[in-house]
Amino acid sequence: SQELEQSPQSLIVQEGKNLTINCTSSKTLYGLYWYKQKYGEGLIFLMMLQKGGEEKSHEKITAKLDEKKQQSSLHITASQPSHAGIYLCGAEQGMNRDDKIIFGKGTRLHILP
Amino acid sequence: GAVVSQHPSWVICKSGTSVKIECRSLDFQATTMFWYRQFPKQSLMLMATSNEGSKATYEQGVEKDKFLINHASLTLSTLTVTSAHPEDSSFYICSAASGSTDTQYFGPGTRLTVL
Repeated sequence: SQELEQSPQSLIVQEGKNLTINCTSSKTLYGLYWYKQKYGEGLIFLMMLQKGGEEKSHEKITAKLDEKKQQSSLHITASQPSHAGIYLCGAEQGMNRDDKIIFGKGTRLHILP
Repeated sequence: GAVVSQHPSWVICKSGTSVKIECRSLDFQATTMFWYRQFPKQSLMLMATSNEGSKATYEQGVEKDKFLINHASLTLSTLTVTSAHPEDSSFYICSAASGSTDTQYFGPGTRLTVL
């Protein structure tokens, strides 16, 4: 079965600094999702990537999909305290339109003031 | 590691009937459980957050009378889809978190098909 590995597991960054989180799949990626979770709250959908080389941005968060490497990276520019939380990547297991999503274990991001 | 199970894994029902989906935390006490719905080729959508012993908090646009959530114990939450219609067909996924950590553990999902 497909597995998603996220790195790093935990990250502490000074406010204002840039950071990158990676998500690597053990199998071909058909669709890659990024979510954010704050303590005690449900997942918040950030963005979805489907095509190799695709890059999307939402405010100061940018995500890219490298199909060949079976990897996606999430980059935050000029981090702020509001960026703190757990970032999860999710991927579809197949090409069928209703294949369920599997998740990585998450990257815990702390922002130091 | 923490394990969350869902039952059933797949259910087919006729339009107009009700379906109950169970979410259980097998080896930890889940003070909070989340219910999500997955739309084909789209992301997970948070439906509601339930805390043990209290009423669930529903996200905007989710009908609480149609999607009944009960979190009766620290290891069990149920989602009942009442008067199901074909447009309710989807994957329903729960996750559970204990009070001591903010990590969510996901269940394997339940595929609901309404004929």
